[in-house]
Amino acid sequence: AQRVTQPEKLLSVFKGAPVELKCNYSYSGSPELFWYVQYSRQRLQLLLRHISRESIKGFTADLNKGETSFHLKKPFAQEEDSAMYYCALTGLGGSARQLTFGSGTQLTVLP
Amino acid sequence: ETGVTQSPTHLIKTRGQQVTLRCSSQSGHNTVSWYQQALGQGPQFIFQYYREEENGRGNFPPRFSGLQFPNYSSELNVNALELDDSALYLCASSLTGALETQYFGPGTRLLVL
Repeated sequence: AQRVTQPEKLLSVFKGAPVELKCNYSYSGSPELFWYVQYSRQRLQLLLRHISRESIKGFTADLNKGETSFHLKKPFAQEEDSAMYYCALTGLGGSARQLTFGSGTQLTVLP
Repeated sequence: ETGVTQSPTHLIKTRGQQVTLRCSSQSGHNTVSWYQQALGQGPQFIFQYYREEENGRGNFPPRFSGLQFPNYSSELNVNALELDDSALYLCASSLTGALETQYFGPGTRLLVL
């Protein structure tokens, strides 16, 4: 069975400090990993995916298959980064691109 | 703002009743996925519809059913409502299931009393 674990429900950092949101997964095949973000009063939206290896809004995430992790990092947090973050995975090549989400981490960036 | 809309925004039902939730997909999208998000949890995949056919299902009982129409809008039907069905129901549309094209709707909040 596939599972995504986000161990921190709440995370607070000060503006300008580095931030890391943890995500661990279990999946028997080759997973595709994602981070989704939901800002206050907005819809859930895709932040980044490991396949594209891009940096979005200063966030990066590296897939570590050995540790089965996909932690989200940003070197200098901004107040506008305050949001709920969800890690998610799907199987590569699946017929239904079914996402399995973690329970989310609420990030608060303090001034 | 994206073009995925859902109706109604909120509703209250009692145990044993039936409910229909609606989703209008973004223009040009032919795939709709439905998710259930319980309070304090991440979204859970219910099922996906592609060109009017169910194209994958999560671990939900048969009393959760759906439809997709020729214009690619979709309905989620839940029969014999239970208290645990209280949740936010999200739909997301995409082009042929490609997750990088997927947009979520605002959700319908269902309360079962």
